Amino acid sequence: EAQVTQNPRYLITVTGKKLTVTCSQNMNHEYMSWYRQDPGLGLRQIYYSMNVEVTDKGDVPEGYKVSRKEKRNFPLILESPSPNQTSLYFCASSLSSDHLYEQYFGPGTRLTVT
Amino acid sequence: KNQVEQSPQSLIILEGKNCTLQCNYTVSPFSNLRWYKQDTGRGPVSLTIMTFSENTKSNGRYTATLDADTKQSSLHITASQLSDSASYICVVTFSGYALNFGKGTSLLVTP
Repeated sequence: EAQVTQNPRYLITVTGKKLTVTCSQNMNHEYMSWYRQDPGLGLRQIYYSMNVEVTDKGDVPEGYKVSRKEKRNFPLILESPSPNQTSLYFCASSLSSDHLYEQYFGPGTRLTVT
Repeated sequence: KNQVEQSPQSLIILEGKNCTLQCNYTVSPFSNLRWYKQDTGRGPVSLTIMTFSENTKSNGRYTATLDADTKQSSLHITASQLSDSASYICVVTFSGYALNFGKGTSLLVTP
């Protein structure tokens, strides 16, 4: 089944404790992206990747890191999480970066930083 | 910064009724416009995608329209069902690469 998977789905952590949210897609998509969703603000792009070893900042990249060493994986790293990073996070992928193709979203990761 | 504005912010309708959601965008050049449906706590799922040359696209009971001259799009839902209760998000792509998300319209369909 074609899908985007994220792990973990739920995470409660403390300020400053490094964490990684994994994202994997099995559709051989070139483009992958991370978003956060907060009430009243909608979806905001954190980072995106047009292909392996090619990443770029989105609208809200502060406090986050990403890497794209393999085509299928695009982990999101929070080196020192803070409470303002409490949010619902979505990973997404699409066939190419020109956005002519459908973007598939993962199930979401709900992160709470205390 | 390109802007995508959706209205209304929220809407409550009775099961079986029709409704229309609006999306207005500014600036150009426009590449394509998508409508997504997002159930609570789940990832968005694509409903329709329209390019500059298309002015209508249907997906079952969902029909999206696009007026590139006035920079407006609408999503019409026919004969609503309880399962249509969700957030509907308009996403406009500018210059092929830049994605701009609206904040969504929250729809509640009641029995």
